[in-house]
Amino acid sequence: QVQLVESGRGVVQPGGSLRLSCAASGFTFNTYGLHWVRQAPGKGLEWVAFIRYDGISQYYADSVKGRFTISRDNSRNTLYLQLNSLRLEDTAVYYCAKDLNRDFGDYSSLDYWGQGTLVTVSS
Amino acid sequence: SYELTQPPSMSVSPGQTASITCSGHKLEAKYACWYQQKAGQSPVLVIYQDSKRPSGIPERFSGSNSGNTATLTISGTQAMDEADYYCQAWDSATVVFGKGTKLTVL
Repeated sequence: QVQLVESGRGVVQPGGSLRLSCAASGFTFNTYGLHWVRQAPGKGLEWVAFIRYDGISQYYADSVKGRFTISRDNSRNTLYLQLNSLRLEDTAVYYCAKDLNRDFGDYSSLDYWGQGTLVTVSS
Repeated sequence: SYELTQPPSMSVSPGQTASITCSGHKLEAKYACWYQQKAGQSPVLVIYQDSKRPSGIPERFSGSNSGNTATLTISGTQAMDEADYYCQAWDSATVVFGKGTKLTVL
């Protein structure tokens, strides 16, 4: 069965950095696109980033562009999110999620989600 | 930027039909999908590409998309369907979520 397990939770000061990981199993990792989605406490879902199955292309929400970097290691079946220049408003549970497809487009749907990892930005 | 609008909340009696709407400009030209998120849990995909159900999702969940509105319909709603529901579409190389609808079954 598909499993996505996030790690890297923590409390960080504004301006700080953090790296999240997502270990995947139960599917052919290098044939699917992957997303990060976040959810601030008591709020709705906010898409953060997507990376193509081969890692060649990445896409970001405007709110994180230039500060966050999505990457993947297909040899380790692991997805990453590097969070830099963190702000108070980045406080959220961060989910990794698998796309139904290998590339990014109108058909993008997130068919499996991890349990999420909490990032708290606080002074 | 593209926006999807959902009612913040709605309620339904057990056994009745719940219809949750999601509105966006020319939404019918895009694919809509829907996620269910129960309290304290991760989201679950219940409808993709407007009307397709992933394996394991009960037949009482169905979807449609016409004009500017996509609709998630839950027929014979059960207490276990109480959750937040989010619609989602893709636009200009971004994934867009609606703000969610809290469905109460009472």
